[in-house]
Amino acid sequence: NAGVTQTPKFRILKIGQSMTLQCTQDMNHNYMYWYRQDPGMGLKLIYYSVGAGITDKGEVPNGYNVSRSTTEDFPLRLELAAPSQTSVYFCASSPSRILNSPLHFGNGTRLTVT
Amino acid sequence: GQQVMQIPQYQHVQEGEDFTTYCNSSTTLSNIQWYKQRPGGHPVFLIQLVKSGEVKKQKRLTFQFGEAKKNSSLHITATQTTDVGTYFCAGEGSQGNLIFGKGTKLSVKP
Repeated sequence: NAGVTQTPKFRILKIGQSMTLQCTQDMNHNYMYWYRQDPGMGLKLIYYSVGAGITDKGEVPNGYNVSRSTTEDFPLRLELAAPSQTSVYFCASSPSRILNSPLHFGNGTRLTVT
Repeated sequence: GQQVMQIPQYQHVQEGEDFTTYCNSSTTLSNIQWYKQRPGGHPVFLIQLVKSGEVKKQKRLTFQFGEAKKNSSLHITATQTTDVGTYFCAGEGSQGNLIFGKGTKLSVKP
């Protein structure tokens, strides 16, 4: 059982470049999330989705976009990369709302913007 | 906005010593979750507390939820090197999402 799979594991971008971080889950979870983790900090929610076709902003959505065309996939798009977006990005999923529903995290994507 | 605060930020212990991390919320929480992140890894769910005053144990780990449901703690008895990592608490925000504390990074000296 693969769980939550993120690609790539590492990426270096130049300022102004764009990229898509891929996330897919095989647990048939309705809820999916994107978090970023900066050194010494907790996880900040970027975007989340409660089901296919539905997305919503989290705490730090600026500079990012998402889509949810299928239950399995929840890609995160960076259009104009900036050094402030250097971080580790985690995708997560859960079967329902938070109560009684822990998050399953992917292994993360380490992104450096120079 | 809603905040979840954790202390201490870092804790260095000798193997065999006990360890406690504390989590405080600015608002009443419906539930609280705890996660562990090993160095270079991803957060892994440990436990969820829902009831006021709830205490749960997992081997050497003891989790408590405060009576007012605004604070929580994780206590590890007789730490081992395998306990190394960062421990996060997370409470449900107004949007139904999880708000994470900044974590307590535990290092254990053998």
